[in-house]
Amino acid sequence: GAGVSQSPSNKVTEKGKDVELRCDPISGHTALYWYRQSLGQGLEFLIYFQGNSAPDKSGLPSDRFSAERTGGSVSTLTIQRTQQEDSAVYLCASTPGTPRTDTQYFGPGTRLTVL
Amino acid sequence: KQEVTQIPAALSVPEGENLVLNCSFTDSAIYNLQWFRQDPGKGLTSLLLIQSSQREQTSGRLNASLDKSSGRSTLYIAASQPGDSATYLCAVSSFTGGGNKLTFGTGTQLKVEL
Repeated sequence: GAGVSQSPSNKVTEKGKDVELRCDPISGHTALYWYRQSLGQGLEFLIYFQGNSAPDKSGLPSDRFSAERTGGSVSTLTIQRTQQEDSAVYLCASTPGTPRTDTQYFGPGTRLTVL
Repeated sequence: KQEVTQIPAALSVPEGENLVLNCSFTDSAIYNLQWFRQDPGKGLTSLLLIQSSQREQTSGRLNASLDKSSGRSTLYIAASQPGDSATYLCAVSSFTGGGNKLTFGTGTQLKVEL
């Protein structure tokens, strides 16, 4: 079956512009995660959605970052007024149910470059 | 705060060799530990997931063990092949944070040479 998909695969933007990154989880997966992978920082958690519950936003680095998940499926990560330190690979993952027991399936990522 | 460390950071071995990758974590209150591989420019592929109540998991040439009390996991790769060349990441789902996220190590970059 289809895996987690993300778009675009690459995004180059100018400092100060807003960007939107999209994630399509595996069909039927109730949980969705966003992570960021940057040089020198490794992989870090950003946000977690589970069904209709309020998302866990504890990993968002600033209020310029926001995410939503419409209809319990597709998710969009928005970065406003991008900065050069936002340059990273943004990875999305999904699980069938709870992350406490389930494997996380990752998408290929979106490479964001802020000039 | 959970911290995950992987040793070594990089490893180069000849084809056919058996090898062990190490992962340690500071907080033993975990739900599970997962091993992933990442190929250059690609996302993560799950290899093995060990629940906190388990001691090991096996898949083909891969065997992962978990010693929760000492905060350690090892990934054993038997009869390594050039196709095993990748970065290997371990990650834990911890009680802190409600198990809603994975905390990753910085990875071991493996190169298997012909």
